[in-house]
Amino acid sequence: GEDVEQSLFLSVREGDSSVINCTYTDSSSTYLYWYKQEPGAGLQLLTYIFSNMDMKQDQRLTVLLNKKDKHLSLRIADTQTGDSAIYFCAEKNYGGSQGNLIFGKGTKLSVKP
Amino acid sequence: DGGITQSPKYLFRKEGQNVTLSCEQNLNHDAMYWYRQDPGQGLRLIYYSQIVNDFQKGDIAEGYSVSREKKESFPLTVTSAQKNPTAFYLCASSWQLRDTQYFGPGTRLTVL
Repeated sequence: GEDVEQSLFLSVREGDSSVINCTYTDSSSTYLYWYKQEPGAGLQLLTYIFSNMDMKQDQRLTVLLNKKDKHLSLRIADTQTGDSAIYFCAEKNYGGSQGNLIFGKGTKLSVKP
Repeated sequence: DGGITQSPKYLFRKEGQNVTLSCEQNLNHDAMYWYRQDPGQGLRLIYYSQIVNDFQKGDIAEGYSVSREKKESFPLTVTSAQKNPTAFYLCASSWQLRDTQYFGPGTRLTVL
């Protein structure tokens, strides 16, 4: 079945780069997403990448996609304390429930001053 | 301001009571979704609606009901049949099914 896997925790120091990794199983996925969730809040769309792209950069965020290995990563440059949150990887899935995004369990990023 | 609103932010319910969570969007999106989030878990799809007067069950629809009488509104009722309703509920919308989804701020439901 479809599955999205992420490590649950990541801790970095302020100013370092953070790399959050994600693996997915559905080779027919066309879009892959990164969402950010701050405590007690909804999900904020950070960025997404189309499956025919290898990389997408948006200010401090860089998304890398290895379609062969079904591996997606989100790099945050110059990580700040305000980046502390849970980051969800999601794939657009065409099997199962229509219109469904399949989410990973989220990676909790802690930024130490 | 365009966006998705959910109310209330916090909701307390006694066991055996039905409760309705509100979700409104002014983005003119056709598709709307309800997800449930439990601690340490990803999001699980409860119901979704492609268009007004249409909705479909997601992966965990048992104990929930929805309606879609207006394009901008997609209320979720958590019934007494839902065995473990305490959770964080998130509503989302998109232009059409399978388009990028945008989320509301969520409602935390606690059953006492």
